[in-house]
Amino acid sequence: LAKTTQPISMDSYEGQEVNITCSHNNIATNDYITWYQQFPSQGPRFIIQGYKTKVTNEVASLFIPADRKSSTLSLPRVSLSDTAVYYCLVGDGDTGFQKLVFGTGTRLLVSP
Amino acid sequence: ETGVTQTPRHLVMGMTNKKSLKCEQHLGHNAMYWYKQSAKKPLELMFVYSLEERVENNSVPSRFSPECPNSSHLFLHLHTLQPEDSALYLCASSQDVGGAFFGQGTRLTVV
Repeated sequence: LAKTTQPISMDSYEGQEVNITCSHNNIATNDYITWYQQFPSQGPRFIIQGYKTKVTNEVASLFIPADRKSSTLSLPRVSLSDTAVYYCLVGDGDTGFQKLVFGTGTRLLVSP
Repeated sequence: ETGVTQTPRHLVMGMTNKKSLKCEQHLGHNAMYWYKQSAKKPLELMFVYSLEERVENNSVPSRFSPECPNSSHLFLHLHTLQPEDSALYLCASSQDVGGAFFGQGTRLTVV
């Protein structure tokens, strides 16, 4: 499994754009990149998934360069409720399931 | 509401008790997972079931016993637990390469 590296924590203010970068140098050809958000005492919530280039949904954008060795989660105009831990995972779904191994994630604190 | 429901939400049990955690998914997914999250620690993958077969068992003590009777239900049977087993237990489901969807978890306290 490709290992991921993320900053331990980030601080931001309401209304700003936040970019969280994840490094996954050993990503394999069949691996997808998935980001999750977790609030205290709750299960992680799926945010976005991509394979290459750019993916956008109503919540975030995911930028993946051509070499796929890193990815950046972009949260536009964050609010206080975006304070959470964000996890970047790399997994292979070819086997019919994903061995989702979570790291320590990035703790985002949004201040007024 | 993620489509994955866990019961109970909270559980307090003695070290000699036997209890079970239940997970149900209404998403038609083909894989289900159990995770453990202790305070201030990352999620630990415990078990994975794919098409109702156990495909992953990450050196979990035998006092935790999973069961997957069908593709929509997953149980975690607990017996003779230790206080250090107190944690948030999370169930998730996924379909192929799609993202996993998690339940709200069961907060377990072993006394």
